[in-house]
Amino acid sequence: DTGVSQNPRHKITKRGQNVTFRCDPISEHNRLYWYRQTLGQGPEFLTYFQNEAQLEKSRLLSDRFSAERPKGSFSTLEIQRTEQGDSAMYLCASSPRATLTGSGNTIYFGEGSWLTVV
Amino acid sequence: AQSVTQLDSQVPVFEEAPVELRCNYSSSVSVYLFWYVQYPNQGLQLLLKYLSGSTLVKGINGFEAEFNKSQTSFHLRKPSVHISDTAEYFCAVGGSARQLTFGSGTQLTVLP
Repeated sequence: DTGVSQNPRHKITKRGQNVTFRCDPISEHNRLYWYRQTLGQGPEFLTYFQNEAQLEKSRLLSDRFSAERPKGSFSTLEIQRTEQGDSAMYLCASSPRATLTGSGNTIYFGEGSWLTVV
Repeated sequence: AQSVTQLDSQVPVFEEAPVELRCNYSSSVSVYLFWYVQYPNQGLQLLLKYLSGSTLVKGINGFEAEFNKSQTSFHLRKPSVHISDTAEYFCAVGGSARQLTFGSGTQLTVLP
């Protein structure tokens, strides 16, 4: 496995601009997740895909946030009209199909994409 | 609903001493429990997990954790820490594979 890959790793943007992050999950993982982590806190769930279907969205995911996984492989997270409160690390994660051994319950994280809004 | 409480935000310990990082959880469904480690400016790395079976779980880097259902705890332990173990440690609970709920983290600092 090459691991979960995210880019860019760091992004500095001016308030009001749009930003997009990309995530490439571990190959053959059909589940993909986005989390957000602010300084001094644990990650908070944003949204979840099974294949190309977005099955869950947190209340944290305002209308300015949109996530897609068009072909069930890579995913993008776009933030429109960024605000200073959006400054955080955005973590992508993936997990395999659920199995009787429970391996589908293990989520593997990428290195994260840091967003700074100035 | 599920939640995780990590009882200590910072734990300083001398090198080669034992350490315990405490985690308590609440969940209304069957739980899966995890410990992740995060080094500065990096993502999260899975240390160990409890899905079912033996309540004593061994993970990477010499860490282990014990699931205690009656006390709703999943404390992380290591008998002898190294400088390289300095990092942030997160306990997480998942009622299903769909999402995890994380604690606020414990910063472990190993002193020479």
